[in-house]
Parts: sequence; structure tokens; C-alpha cells
Amino acid sequence: DAKTTQPTSMDCAEGRAANLPCNHSTISGNEYVYWYRQIHSQGPQYIIHGLKNNETNEMASLIITEDRKSSTLILPHATLRDTAVYYCIVRVANNAGNMLTFGGGTRLMVKP
Amino acid sequence: NAGVTQTPKFRILKIGQSMTLQCTQDMNHNYMYWYRQDPGMGLKLIYYSVGAGITDKGEVPNGYNVSRSTTEDFPLRLELAAPSQTSVYFCASTRTSGSEQFFGPGTRLTVL
Repeated sequence: DAKTTQPTSMDCAEGRAANLPCNHSTISGNEYVYWYRQIHSQGPQYIIHGLKNNETNEMASLIITEDRKSSTLILPHATLRDTAVYYCIVRVANNAGNMLTFGGGTRLMVKP
Repeated sequence: NAGVTQTPKFRILKIGQSMTLQCTQDMNHNYMYWYRQDPGMGLKLIYYSVGAGITDKGEVPNGYNVSRSTTEDFPLRLELAAPSQTSVYFCASTRTSGSEQFFGPGTRLTVL
């Protein structure tokens, strides 16, 4: 699975959009981009995933560049409850083990 | 649905003791996983299962054993606890390879 690079930490004002970047320059054609987050002391929570098209759900939007070497997770209106560590993971979806490799992630702090 | 449940929530073991961490899911998922998370780090995969009767090693399997006799349950066994196994353990499940993983609340284990 391709490696990812994320900033260690970011701040965001409450009510503003939070844009979390992720670099995955060695991504292969059959690898998806997944985003999970982990609120302090809780189990990780799935947010969104995509292959090459932009994706949106009730939690967030995922923007993937045309060359697929980077992506951005967008939380449109961040709240204090969005304070968490956000993990960008790149993996093959039909991997029999469906293993997720969690790196360091980005610690997002939403401030009032 | 209760989702993924784990017991116990907390446990302190002495070196050399053994214990079983329980994990149950009520979503009829075929795939189940055990991760560990050391302080300030991302998650690492210990073992996984793609269905009842089938298990396989992940990234850090040494010192652990698993079994999968039913679809619902995926217990993790520590035979001879060591201080290096002090960690938070998360169980997860997913319906198909590629779909989102659902995580349990975790078991915080300390080995002294």
C-alpha cells in the first residue's frame, strides 16, 4: 500500500471549513483513498473514501487531484466535536485482508 | 444494533499472566480485525479474519492468538503478558473488503 504524508497538526475556527491535505504520490491505479478520524480515547470512525472522483457524504467532502497524487478532506462547517486525529489511508479495496495502515495522522484542533 | 462491543474496558495484568479480550459484532460482518494502539501512535494490525474458521496474521502478531468459531465473535488471547503489550486494543469489523470498518470502543490493557 502507498505511503501517505499529512501535516502533524492543524487549527480551525469553529464554523469555518477545515481543509485537511494528504499527499500520496506513489498511489497505484487500483488504490483507494480512505479517511478515518479518532476522537480522543475512542475507536476510529470512518469518514469517506474515493478512487478518483470527488466524493461527498453527510460528514465531509473528498477532493482528489486529477493525477491522484494528493487529496483534501473538507469538513464544511467545523464544530468543536470535530476535534480529533484524522488519518488518510491509501489501500487496495479488494485486498483480502482489507488491512488499514494507520500512520501518524493530522491532529485537528477546532477552536471557538 | 449494538455494533462492535469489546470487553473488558480496562485491565491490569501482571507479567506472565494470560487473558482473553472479547470482541462481538451483531452486523453479520464476515471480516473482523484486531489492532493495537500505543500512546501517541497510529493503529497496527495484529490479526484478522475473513470469515468463521479463517484467521491470518497482521503486522504485529507475536505474543497473541486468535480464533473465529462464529461469525459474531473474534477473541484475542494473550498467553504470557509482557510490558510491551501495554496498549489500547481495538476490534473492528466490515461487511466486505473495501467497505468501511466499524470499530469497538477499545480495551485499555496495562501489564506491570
